[in-house]
Amino acid sequence: AQSVTQLDSQVPVFEEAPVELRCNYSSSVSVYLFWYVQYPNQGLQLLLKYLSGSTLVKGINGFEAEFNKSQTSFHLRKPSVHISDTAEYFCAVRSHSGNTPLVFGKGTRLSVIA
Amino acid sequence: KAGVTQTPRYLIKTRGQQVTLSCSPISGHRSVSWYQQTPGQGLQFLFEYFSETQRNKGNFPGRFSGRQFSNSRSEMNVSTLELGDSALYLCASSLVTGFYEQYFGPGTRLTVT
Repeated sequence: AQSVTQLDSQVPVFEEAPVELRCNYSSSVSVYLFWYVQYPNQGLQLLLKYLSGSTLVKGINGFEAEFNKSQTSFHLRKPSVHISDTAEYFCAVRSHSGNTPLVFGKGTRLSVIA
Repeated sequence: KAGVTQTPRYLIKTRGQQVTLSCSPISGHRSVSWYQQTPGQGLQFLFEYFSETQRNKGNFPGRFSGRQFSNSRSEMNVSTLELGDSALYLCASSLVTGFYEQYFGPGTRLTVT
């Protein structure tokens, strides 16, 4: 079974400052890794995914994440945030093998302050 | 291409009633998964359907059920509603079962009073 820990439930940051949202996972098998964003009263939108290959993945809206296998981490970063980035961010994993569902972290609420 | 649609968007029910939620996947997608989102428990997997068959099931009581039709549209049903069933119910579609990329709908906000 897999599990995901998002280390910060809330992250306040000033506009144009950099941000890092932390995600650690636990799994006995290889996994795919995802970051989703949820804006108020909306569903989840895929920001980026790691399937294989380069450990640095770039997503939409200027976000990127780095897969670190030894640390079992997949932290999300953005060099300069905007007010519009205020949302809930979810890290998720899915096993390579078998028919297993996405397992989500509890989410991190990013609040960008003007 | 139209995204995942869910109806209704908002629903208020009374404890003890039952409710049916509907999800239409992206055209060509044959797998539909359902998730429950609450402030306390976060996002929890309910079940996945592919080719009208349930392929995977989360740890929810039997009051939660679902089905999928031949056009890939899916419904989930919750019987004997409890206050704790108040949540945002999200549907996600993917091309086939086990496919890594899922696309989410806007959700149905269910309030049980």
